[in-house]
Amino acid sequence: DVKVTQSSRYLVKRTGEKVFLECVQDMDHENMFWYRQDPGLGLRLIYFSYDVKMKEKGDIPEGYSVSREKKERFSLILESASTNQTSMYLCASSFPRGRGANVLTFGAGSRLTVL
Amino acid sequence: SQKIEQNSEALNIQEGKTATLTCNYTNYSPAYLQWYRQDPGRGPVFLLLIRENEKEKRKERLKVTFDTTLKQSLFHITASQPADSATYLCALTDRGSTLGRLYFGRGTQLTVWP
Repeated sequence: DVKVTQSSRYLVKRTGEKVFLECVQDMDHENMFWYRQDPGLGLRLIYFSYDVKMKEKGDIPEGYSVSREKKERFSLILESASTNQTSMYLCASSFPRGRGANVLTFGAGSRLTVL
Repeated sequence: SQKIEQNSEALNIQEGKTATLTCNYTNYSPAYLQWYRQDPGRGPVFLLLIRENEKEKRKERLKVTFDTTLKQSLFHITASQPADSATYLCALTDRGSTLGRLYFGRGTQLTVWP
């Protein structure tokens, strides 16, 4: 069964801490994504990567960075966590079907609380 | 500006009825449109994909229609069950997107009561 695994389901961090959210997929997918999901705002794309060591900014990259050193792993980094980064973070991966039809497989999510 | 709007935040229907969820878009030219299901505290799960040149797609009790003239997709669940209660998200891939990224609506929360 295809899997996207996010390392932590729940995290509590303090303002100013550096936070790492890890995501691993076992499907040999080329594309990987980080979203955050907030009530009333839906899914918002933070960063995505279509190849190892490649990254593209999504709609809300400010305050975040990413790392993709290996095909199966995509990490989201909060350099200095702030309370407005309290959210559900969702990682996803995809292998393009046909002409750009990304069907996403999501992880279970990481709920981050910043105090 | 570009928008994806799902008809309502919440929809409540009785078991056995057909649930119909709406996804309208503005200023996109979708090559593909997808529907996902999301349960509380979990990640979305892919359900169906429909291409711009397709009118309708079915999978078991699920049916998706796509009308590029109306700029609308409808998602139907026939003979609905309480287990169908979840949030349903529509997402589209714009024809102009070389990387095929998805744009999501905010979702409709469906509750099916016995």
